[in-house]
Amino acid sequence: DAGVIQSPRHEVTEMGQEVTLRCKPISGHNSLFWYRQTMMRGLELLIYFNNNVPIDDSGMPEDRFSAKMPNASFSTLKIQPSEPRDSAVYFCASSFRGAYTGELFFGEGSRLTVL
Amino acid sequence: KQEVTQIPAALSVPEGENLVLNCSFTDSAIYNLQWFRQDPGKGLTSLLLIQSSQREQTSGRLNASLDKSSGRSTLYIAASQPGDSATYLCAVSPYSGAGSYQLTFGKGTKLSVIP
Repeated sequence: DAGVIQSPRHEVTEMGQEVTLRCKPISGHNSLFWYRQTMMRGLELLIYFNNNVPIDDSGMPEDRFSAKMPNASFSTLKIQPSEPRDSAVYFCASSFRGAYTGELFFGEGSRLTVL
Repeated sequence: KQEVTQIPAALSVPEGENLVLNCSFTDSAIYNLQWFRQDPGKGLTSLLLIQSSQREQTSGRLNASLDKSSGRSTLYIAASQPGDSATYLCAVSPYSGAGSYQLTFGKGTKLSVIP
């Protein structure tokens, strides 16, 4: 398996623009997570999907952030409008979850810079 | 609220030395603990996963131990190599049923192995 695939790897945009980050989880995994990593705050969970259904989006900073998972092999994280404080590395991760979370596999991340 | 602490934040050792990285957590009601490695500009790579019922896990030169009662885990790296240079993070999964996906990450220990 190719692992968790994210795109784009790098994104530079101007404040106010829409940003869409994409993720393809590992085939067979039923749990998908979006994390954000910054130097100040470390890794923060933004949203968690189980079987394509959003279970917990309490980590999404505000209404400017939205995430979808239309099928088991694709998810998007959208920021509209983007702001400089959104600059961070955004990671997608997947796992097979039975009753509890199993081993977590991360993508390479999307480094977002908002000017 | 679970808190995970990794001390020291950075560690520099000469090649060939055996070393121990520390992880402590405040709530001992965990389901599992994972150790990850993160190379600069890359995603997190899972190294070892220890279930709460286990005391240790081994993979090659790596050995991770878990002492739930004291809220501690250690990652032992034998015969360190320059290629081991990376940031090592630990994360705990709570033993709380529906909320067990809420991994709490430490900020990591940045390891430098000097040739």
